[in-house]
Amino acid sequence: DVKVTQSSRYLVKRTGEKVFLECVQDMDHENMFWYRQDPGLGLRLIYFSYDVKMKEKGDIPEGYSVSREKKERFSLILESASTNQTSMYLCASASSVAGVYEQYFGPGTRLTVT
Amino acid sequence: DAKTTQPPSMDCAEGRAANLPCNHSTISGNEYVYWYRQIHSQGPQYIIHGLKNNETNEMASLIITEDRKSSTLILPHATLRDTAVYYCIGAGSARQLTFGSGTQLTVLP
Repeated sequence: DVKVTQSSRYLVKRTGEKVFLECVQDMDHENMFWYRQDPGLGLRLIYFSYDVKMKEKGDIPEGYSVSREKKERFSLILESASTNQTSMYLCASASSVAGVYEQYFGPGTRLTVT
Repeated sequence: DAKTTQPPSMDCAEGRAANLPCNHSTISGNEYVYWYRQIHSQGPQYIIHGLKNNETNEMASLIITEDRKSSTLILPHATLRDTAVYYCIGAGSARQLTFGSGTQLTVLP
């Protein structure tokens, strides 16, 4: 079974702190994704990566950066956390065989910025 | 991007078939239709995908209309554990893998 793990289920940070969210997958997938989920807004794509050191912006990249130094690990960085970044953050990985992306999601990190 | 439209909520009796509709009238020829579901407090789970033909797996069936403007996810014998939010996505690239608000399916005993 594909396993996608996230470093924390719950996280509380203060405004202005630098925050790192880590995601690890064990299926050698080339694609990894970071989403945030807010009530009534569904899942919105922040960034994705299609290879080591490669990244592309999603729909809402402002205030976030990412790092992918190893194939299995994709990090989301909040350079200076703000209260409007309080949200559920979900990581996913996927292969892209024949243009099909079957995503596997981690359990999520609920981040609260106070 | 293929914009999808789903009803916000549906109910289904336990043991009956659940038919979840999705409109994707702007879908392009190379964009797949994907279905995921999210049970409360968990990450979304992949269910099925299709391009033109109907598809079936151990979880569900996917019926895509001939003009590809809409599709229906069918859970043949819904159980209480199928209560979840179901998302329909139209995407031909990783950049397009965004989820809307989905349909809250409640399976009633």
